[in-house]
Parts: sequence; C-alpha cells; structure tokens
Amino acid sequence: DQQVKQNSPSLSVQEGRISILNCDYTNSMFDYFLWYKKYPAEGPTFLISISSIKDKNEDGRFTVFLNKSAKHLSLHIVPSQPGDSAVYFCAASAHTSGTYKYIFGTGTRLKVLA
Amino acid sequence: ETGVTQTPRHLVMGMTNKKSLKCEQHLGHNAMYWYKQSAKKPLELMFVYNFKEQTENNSVPSRFSPECPNSSHLFLHLHTLQPEDSALYLCASSQAGQGNTIYFGEGSWLTVV
Repeated sequence: DQQVKQNSPSLSVQEGRISILNCDYTNSMFDYFLWYKKYPAEGPTFLISISSIKDKNEDGRFTVFLNKSAKHLSLHIVPSQPGDSAVYFCAASAHTSGTYKYIFGTGTRLKVLA
Repeated sequence: ETGVTQTPRHLVMGMTNKKSLKCEQHLGHNAMYWYKQSAKKPLELMFVYNFKEQTENNSVPSRFSPECPNSSHLFLHLHTLQPEDSALYLCASSQAGQGNTIYFGEGSWLTVV
C-alpha cells in the first residue's frame, strides 16, 4: 500500500511558466514533508520542506503548499527554467516504532521546454 | 562534494559473489539509511540505523546484510543476490528526530548477472 503518491508520472512546462507538482498521502501521522530533485545517475537532492504546522513554505523560486485536510501537498516552481528538468520526489516522515521513517512517492519527471 | 559518499558507484556481480557497498557521511548525523530504487518504483526504505542501532528492517531478504560500525559509516553486504536485485542503492543520513532533512549520497548502481 503506497502511502505517498505522485499520480502524474510526467509534466512538460514552457520555460518561464509555473510548474506545479502534486503529491498525496494517506497517513495522517506524517508530520514533515520534503521535496527532492533527482538527475539521472545522481542521488536525490533536497529542495524544500514543510512542517505539518505550516501550510506554506517558500525558498526562492520554490514554494511548497500543504493542505492537511486534503492530505495533499504541491511544489510550485516559478519561473521554470530548463535546468529544472529532472525527476521530483515528494517524501513524508513520521515517527513510528521508535524511529523516523521517510516514505517517498514514485516521482514526477518534469521537462521544461526552452 | 556531497556530505554523503558512496562506493563503489557501479558494481557488477555474479549471483554467487559476495560484495559490499560502503557509505560514509561527513555531516555529523546520527541516523543512516539504505534505500533501493528500482525502475518505475518509489524509493524503497530498506534499513534505518539510529545511533548505530538498527531500528528498521523493512522486510528485506537476508541476502542483504547491513552493518553500522559507527554513526559515520554504513555498509550493505551482498551475498547470493538475484538479477531482480539489480537497482540503484542509495545511502542517506539525517539527524534523528522530528523535522529533520534526509541527505542522500550519489548511489551505487548494482547489476547482478
């Protein structure tokens, strides 16, 4: 049972426009959410995070929104740049059985067209 | 330079071989993780170590054997693997506790022939 879902496997956006990547989760115990970017043959790179006590966090061109009632978060990239083309993973963490676990979605491949 | 270093970056091994993947973190973290990434699947958590103690084994087959001699080093010992174990193995670290970011290494590409 997948607790973190990214239902769009791919997304294409024109350079300069907004990219919106979505993520849904099922476990209400998740209290911290993260977004990662991954290029081929590299490990995931941390982008931005948000605690469950907030509904928005912004860092430069990246903004993450959290809707706890809908168990939904999204990553907005404005303006999108060709270098943003990568796979984006959302992750959620919860404290269970004495440890913090980070559960990842399947990823969304973003292509920013020049 | 990444704060989490994995070696080797690429490994090809036969089904009867014994090999090990190594991970070292230079971030002063006290939790370390092994994840597996197969094609078109989410990152799968394999093992978690907090302060050198294994706190999570996510139903991983015994042909994968982790070792954490100290908070900075993590190994994944591999023995009699199957071709379906071919994947990208990612090591990560974090501070143990709520609201901490997990940082990944570059990964070790494993091919079992």
